Amino acid sequence: GQQVMQIPQYQHVQEGEDFTTYCNSSTTLSNIQWYKQRPGGHPVFLIQLVKSGEVKKQKRLTFQFGEAKKNSSLHITATQTTDVGTYFCAGSGGSNYKLTFGKGTLLTVNP
Amino acid sequence: NAGVMQNPRHLVRRRGQEARLRCSPMKGHSHVYWYRQLPEEGLKFMVYLQKENIIDESGMPKERFSAEFPKEGPSILRIQQVVRGDSAAYFCASSPGHSYEQYFGPGTRLTVT
Repeated sequence: GQQVMQIPQYQHVQEGEDFTTYCNSSTTLSNIQWYKQRPGGHPVFLIQLVKSGEVKKQKRLTFQFGEAKKNSSLHITATQTTDVGTYFCAGSGGSNYKLTFGKGTLLTVNP
Repeated sequence: NAGVMQNPRHLVRRRGQEARLRCSPMKGHSHVYWYRQLPEEGLKFMVYLQKENIIDESGMPKERFSAEFPKEGPSILRIQQVVRGDSAAYFCASSPGHSYEQYFGPGTRLTVT
């Protein structure tokens, strides 16, 4: 079945440093979604990428979808303490509804 | 506009008891998904339902687990004869269609003693 790998598992940064998490799928995806989960909280939708090579920005967050639609990345510029949490990618294959989640990257930020 | 609601937020059950988890989707959403999350793990898809229909239950164990989304009322995830390995956070999500982003509820943390 479809597998989604995410690295790194943990990332600790100083406030103001940049952060990137990477996501790779074993199969071609129809779309990829990114979620953020604060400690003790629930996943919150950030963005959905659909097109090959797509790049989307949300303030300090930049999301990319690879040309082959098998990988994606999330980059945060100049991290802040409010960025703390686990970032999950979730890919959807042919069904378009069944999301396969990566294990997430836990980001901690030292003020 | 109220978000996805789940109750209870915390549930403690002894081995062998039944656990019933409820989920009310966002207003206007007719698609419901259930996920299980173990500590430091991603979310694992369990089941996808629309009103009165189970569309995909491929992620749900065949025994002891069942789900429904009746015409009226919340979606229910039922776990019969719980075992310690069922301890996890169970999240429900809803969407207005099958290829849209999913909105998650706060989850039910199930502990089996």
